[in-house]
Amino acid sequence: GDSVTQTEGPVTVSESESLIINCTYSATSIAYPNLFWYVRYPGEGLQLLLKVITAGQKGSSRGFEATYNKETTSFHLQKASVQESDSAVYYCALGGNNAGAKLTFGGGTRLTVRP
Amino acid sequence: DMKVTQMPRYLIKRMGENVLLECGQDMSHETMYWYRQDPGLGLQLIYISYDVDSNSEGDIPKGYRVSRKKREHFSLILDSAKTNQTSVYFCASSLQGPEVFFGKGTRLTVV
Repeated sequence: GDSVTQTEGPVTVSESESLIINCTYSATSIAYPNLFWYVRYPGEGLQLLLKVITAGQKGSSRGFEATYNKETTSFHLQKASVQESDSAVYYCALGGNNAGAKLTFGGGTRLTVRP
Repeated sequence: DMKVTQMPRYLIKRMGENVLLECGQDMSHETMYWYRQDPGLGLQLIYISYDVDSNSEGDIPKGYRVSRKKREHFSLILDSAKTNQTSVYFCASSLQGPEVFFGKGTRLTVV
């Protein structure tokens, strides 16, 4: 079946430092998977942070970016300079591109940014 | 304001009791989902509903059932709750394509 593996947390970095959260995937049931990063802030539901539906493309949002690499089956999340407000749990996910497609999630990475 | 609303947010039940988790969405989305989230395991799909009375099992349906009688409401039912069903449950909905909107979750504790 499909699977997603991401950096195990917790991850702690200082404000203004760079960040990378690794994500690799295996898509056996989906020919052209779409890749996502979701974020869950304390007390909130999951929110879509960014998505990329085409291999080779890069998605970006709120200073975060991730590139869909089909060769290495990776979708790492990066940010050049984190802020305290980025503290949250980050989930990598893959899904099909049809309506009602199921999402397969990684285990989540809890990020704490020290002021 | 597009949103998915889950009730209750927190719930404590005794083993063997019945549990009802409710979810509503105001976006007229056809597809709705129930996931559970356990530490280190990410979100696991319990059930998916493609519309009223059109429900399919997800990856971990055992011990759960669902009801969708109106497009905007999707309920998750645990008949005779078990301690291993202690978890955070997320409801979600989507319209077209894979973009999914999530509720804030219900933290269920079964003692």
